[in-house]
Amino acid sequence: DAGVTQSPTHLIKTRGQHVTLRCSPISGHKSVSWYQQVLGQGPQFIFQYYEKEERGRGNFPDRFSARQFPNYSSELNVNALLLGDSALYLCASSLSGGRTDTQYFGPGTRLTVL
Amino acid sequence: AQKVTQAQTEISVVEKEDVTLDCVYETRDTTYYLFWYKQPPSGELVFLIRRNSFDEQNEISGRYSWNFQKSTSSFNFTITASQVVDSAVYFCALSESTRAAGNKLTFGGGTRVLVKP
Repeated sequence: DAGVTQSPTHLIKTRGQHVTLRCSPISGHKSVSWYQQVLGQGPQFIFQYYEKEERGRGNFPDRFSARQFPNYSSELNVNALLLGDSALYLCASSLSGGRTDTQYFGPGTRLTVL
Repeated sequence: AQKVTQAQTEISVVEKEDVTLDCVYETRDTTYYLFWYKQPPSGELVFLIRRNSFDEQNEISGRYSWNFQKSTSSFNFTITASQVVDSAVYFCALSESTRAAGNKLTFGGGTRVLVKP
């Protein structure tokens, strides 16, 4: 069975640009979460979606937005990129997004902002 | 707010030595879940183990074992007879459920394990 997939794998943008990252969950999983991992640190929670509804949001500015589609795939959008947005963006999927669920992560998208 | 602390930033061992990774957590929840993930150089976070707060029985799975002690809020992880392929960053994580954040994982800062041949 395929795991969580993310695209693209790498991305280079300049300050002020916009970026869209994509994620496809494990088949049968209905919840997707997004995390940002800055080099040398643990992942930080950005969003959680379940059945196309936003279930939770971390402490990130409004420049960050996301959505989930009927097929449960998801997009993370970041506007007005800053140098500090350079990070590995990880997508995780789980069955229902409940606290008891295990989240399974994709390989990530490495974003570099110049 | 919940917090996870991994005091060891890096551990270096020789192959076949045992490695124990420390994790201390803070939470006000009475029911919670703890996880260990492995992140090899490729970047993908690989799920290793999960433990719920109401089951303090320690277990062994292959070369992995874990010691969960609720009284000291610790969830330590041991790799027995380490191998070069175990070289990675290991993260301890705590599940949290809040109205604002939904169900999220709070991660520690990670411990880099280097296994030398």
